[in-house]
Amino acid sequence: EAGVVQSPRYKIIEKKQPVAFWCNPISGHNTLYWYRQNLGQGPELLIRYENEEAVDDSQLPKDRFSAERLKGVDSTLKIQPAELGDSAVYLCASSPRGRLKETQYFGPGTRLLVL
Amino acid sequence: KQEVTQIPAALSVPEGENLVLNCSFTDSAIYNLQWFRQDPGKGLTSLLLIQSSQREQTSGRLNASLDKSSGRSTLYIAASQPGDSATYLCAVIGNQFYFGTGTSLTVIP
Repeated sequence: EAGVVQSPRYKIIEKKQPVAFWCNPISGHNTLYWYRQNLGQGPELLIRYENEEAVDDSQLPKDRFSAERLKGVDSTLKIQPAELGDSAVYLCASSPRGRLKETQYFGPGTRLLVL
Repeated sequence: KQEVTQIPAALSVPEGENLVLNCSFTDSAIYNLQWFRQDPGKGLTSLLLIQSSQREQTSGRLNASLDKSSGRSTLYIAASQPGDSATYLCAVIGNQFYFGTGTSLTVIP
């Protein structure tokens, strides 16, 4: 069974440029999560999807961040414009039904560097 | 908001030593607690999940304990090996996953 797939793995951009990350969850998993992990810190939730609906986006900086999961499968996270402080690893995770007693399965992440 | 702390932040031990990693949390109203391993440049791999009604879970050389009332969990690694070198994260599951900052473990051959 394929795991969570993310692309690109690395991205270097100049500040004020846009950037997008893509995630394909494990087949059949209804719930998809985007996390941001700053250097030396644990991941922090940005947004959670149940199928195509964003059910928790309270920690997503909505002035510059947006996300979509149009068909309830893969998802895109976008930053526009990027700032220096956005440099981090962006992790995608999925779980079968999004119940809190389930484990989450993580992708390898996209490492973003904003210059 | 749930605060999760992991001590120590970094640990270096010789191969074969037994070791304990600590995780503490501020809100005892949790569903589960989970320990993850993160290798450089990679995502998180689940090691052990302890449900709130359980006190411990074991997998191979790993044993995780949970004391909800005191807001603490420990991950015990027996007979450490160089391949155990990684960052270990605990996550407390309440209304979402709350991660600690991790313990970076180096096992010296």
